[in-house]
Amino acid sequence: KQEVTQIPAALSVPEGENLVLNCSFTDSAIYNLQWFRQDPGKGLTSLLLIQSSQREQTSGRLNASLDKSSGRSTLYIAASQPGDSATYLCAVNSGYSTLTFGKGTMLLVSP
Amino acid sequence: NAGVTQTPKFRILKIGQSMTLQCTQDMNHNYMYWYRQDPGMGLKLIYYSVGAGITDKGEVPNGYNVSRSTTEDFPLRLELAAPSQTSVYFCASSLNRQNNQPQHFGDGTRLSIL
Repeated sequence: KQEVTQIPAALSVPEGENLVLNCSFTDSAIYNLQWFRQDPGKGLTSLLLIQSSQREQTSGRLNASLDKSSGRSTLYIAASQPGDSATYLCAVNSGYSTLTFGKGTMLLVSP
Repeated sequence: NAGVTQTPKFRILKIGQSMTLQCTQDMNHNYMYWYRQDPGMGLKLIYYSVGAGITDKGEVPNGYNVSRSTTEDFPLRLELAAPSQTSVYFCASSLNRQNNQPQHFGDGTRLSIL
């Protein structure tokens, strides 16, 4: 059974810092990995999707990497801003497009 | 751009009551999903559908039923509400069974069983 772990559970940083969120998964037989953002009381917004054959994906200040063999992914956020404050969820697709989610990292960026 | 629409947004039920959570998408996606999210936990898959007329169980299907009569709609039915079903329910959709298609989520239904 696939299990996804996210570290740290919570992170507080001052504005402008670069930061890294970590995600690990137990079964390396995945099709893709997605990073989502969830604002309080809202649904999930897809940030980046990395296919199993890819090593990284970039969107603006966000960069996600994937090391499938070691079961790890990282989400790098450059020059963090207060508007980045949210919960970040990692999810892996192990088949039939169904996702297994981690519990998330709650990020607070202070002005 | 409506995307995935869920109704209602909030609901309080009494133990033993039944209700249907509605989900509709306007993106012509084949795949649709229902997840539940409990406080401090990741999302868990309840049911999913790969097309009209086809549904399958996810990780936590007990106490729920689904149907998929059209491409657009994927309602989730609670027959006998129990306190353990207090949660936030999310519906999602994706284009098809390809590796490069992300899932798109609705804003959720917050359900309390008292």
